[in-house]
Amino acid sequence: SYELTQPPSVSVSPGQTARITCSGDALPKKYTYWYQKKSGQAPVLVIYEDNKRPSGIPERFSGSSSGTLATLTISGAQVEDEADFYCYSTDTTTSRYPLFGGGTKLTVL
Amino acid sequence: DVQLVESGGGLVRPGGSLRLSCAVSGLSFNNVWMTWVRHTPERGLEWVGRIKDEADGGTADYAAPVKGRFTISREDSQNTVFLQMDNLKIEDSAVYHCNTKKCGGGNCNDYWGQGTLVTVSS
Repeated sequence: SYELTQPPSVSVSPGQTARITCSGDALPKKYTYWYQKKSGQAPVLVIYEDNKRPSGIPERFSGSSSGTLATLTISGAQVEDEADFYCYSTDTTTSRYPLFGGGTKLTVL
Repeated sequence: DVQLVESGGGLVRPGGSLRLSCAVSGLSFNNVWMTWVRHTPERGLEWVGRIKDEADGGTADYAAPVKGRFTISREDSQNTVFLQMDNLKIEDSAVYHCNTKKCGGGNCNDYWGQGTLVTVSS
């Protein structure tokens, strides 16, 4: 079955750049979205359509996609950015339905 | 302001049923697709299913783990979407969120409810 693969964890110091990757065979054909999820809170969309930032999301969040790899970059990560991050895209191979990656725990300390 | 409010969660035994509701306000409900997503600390976010708006056929799609057991429906006159969960399994325990997203015109409006907890346990 189709999967979006993310590293389980990424750790950076405050002010450093954090990069979280998401790989999937269908990413060249489908947009990637990125969600931030903090405990007890609803997910927050931080990047849509590979590289667009919704209004209200800080400029330090950016996204890119090349081939089968999408990347979320947080430039100058802050302590309040610590959360789980999930990529989200669509399976074009079997189900043709959306799915989430397994999630990446970002630690900023 | 747009609000999505889920209700109907609770404790249920394996094999039992629950019906979740998601009441939506502040947007044109009959023009949006509605999605159900669940979350556990162990498995993360999981897409459960979605229902299209009537203009796109009003049909529902489901993730493989819930297909045949879960049914999504909508009542546009009540601005509400439902998730009927039958033959529940322990692994269905999660916080269930409803969501709608509309991207275009230079922005992406993505709305979530706070979620309702479903616990399947004997």
